[in-house]
Amino acid sequence: QSALTQPASVSGSPGQSITISCTGTSSDVGSYNLVSWYQQHPGKAPKLMIYEVSKRPSGVSNRFSGSKSGNTASLTISGLQAEDEADYYCCSYAGSSTSWVFGGGTKLTVL
Amino acid sequence: EVQLVQSGAEVKKPGESLKISCKGSGYSFTSYWIGWVRQMPGKGLEWMGIIYPGDSDTRYSPSFQGQVTISADKSISTAYLQWSSLKASDTAMYYCVTPWPTVTMAPGYWGQGTLVTVSS
Repeated sequence: QSALTQPASVSGSPGQSITISCTGTSSDVGSYNLVSWYQQHPGKAPKLMIYEVSKRPSGVSNRFSGSKSGNTASLTISGLQAEDEADYYCCSYAGSSTSWVFGGGTKLTVL
Repeated sequence: EVQLVQSGAEVKKPGESLKISCKGSGYSFTSYWIGWVRQMPGKGLEWMGIIYPGDSDTRYSPSFQGQVTISADKSISTAYLQWSSLKASDTAMYYCVTPWPTVTMAPGYWGQGTLVTVSS
């Protein structure tokens, strides 16, 4: 099972919006509404930011939103803040034999 | 509160065996899967495999099949990841992860990670 494809890096200025894409296949992203997104700061464990494509766990800012079209999911962060600078990973369910697959990760830089 | 507490950092030599642990609390351990994720230095997250502690059903990502063994002891709410013969390329941070009970089956709660260093 290949990793999902994410851009290696994105950047934006404070207050702006950015979108990170996550491209999979019809066997994972395209087949299940089980795409999640994680934020990871250096030296820390990943944190769930979006689950089931577009749902936010309690405590996560509404500046974070998710969507999906076909085999591609997206994470949008609006009103960028310095604290958003981190690595972001998408993850999708890929069936009962493989279970889950991650994207390669995207480094977000807040300029 | 759901918690996954992992065992401490390990320094091993190539060829040695190792078993690291992940203890779950604050939820029904046997009702939800536990997965293991590798993060090599400076690299991304890689899904290794999953175990359902209720019946010990285990699935491995193709890249890790035959390389590691995932197990669980439901009597003490603990999952394990083990190697029979470590290689330098096994040097990485390893995370255990479980769903967010009653909210989503996606990976929701993460352990703090166990750093494994393999060096001669």
